[in-house]
Amino acid sequence: DAKTTQPPSMDCAEGRAANLPCNHSTISGNEYVYWYRQIHSQGPQYIIHGLKNNETNEMASLIITEDRKSSTLILPHATLRDTAVYYCIVRAPNTNAGKSTFGDGTTLTVKP
Amino acid sequence: EPEVTQTPSHQVTQMGQEVILRCVPISNHLYFYWYRQILGQKVEFLVSFYNNEISEKSEIFDDQFSVERPDGSNFTLKIRSTKLEDSAMYFCASSDPGWGQRHDYEQYFGPGTRLTVT
Repeated sequence: DAKTTQPPSMDCAEGRAANLPCNHSTISGNEYVYWYRQIHSQGPQYIIHGLKNNETNEMASLIITEDRKSSTLILPHATLRDTAVYYCIVRAPNTNAGKSTFGDGTTLTVKP
Repeated sequence: EPEVTQTPSHQVTQMGQEVILRCVPISNHLYFYWYRQILGQKVEFLVSFYNNEISEKSEIFDDQFSVERPDGSNFTLKIRSTKLEDSAMYFCASSDPGWGQRHDYEQYFGPGTRLTVT
């Protein structure tokens, strides 16, 4: 699986958009970008994923650059409950039995 | 909304004892996984399981570990002789309902079992 690089930490004001970047310059054509988050020591929570098109769901938006070498997760109106570690993971769904390789992620702190 | 469940939430055991961690994956999923997270460290992949056999395992998953799907709903992780360094959160995950032609299924994680080896 391709390696990802994320900033170790970010702050965001409550109610503002949180934009979390991820670099995955070695991504292969069949690899998707997945985002998960982990609040305290809870199980990782799936947020969103995409291949090359931008995606949006009820939790977030995912913007993938045209060359697919980087992406940005957008939480449009961050709340205090969005404080968590956010992981960007790149994997090909049907290889390596779909295992996810977690890095250190970005610790997002939403401040009042 | 369907979810992955795990029991117990916290297991305390003595070094050398056997433990079995239990998971109930989402009912129509086909792939099952165990991950662990030692306190303050990354989430690490242990093993994946599909069609009643191990698909892949990491170097952590040595002969002391085994997995089983004893019936149509449970997925278990057994550690035969626990060591102090096995103390961690263990997460079960499942994915792939096998519908249609999509192959990008996300993984859903359980809340974890905190294993403490004394």
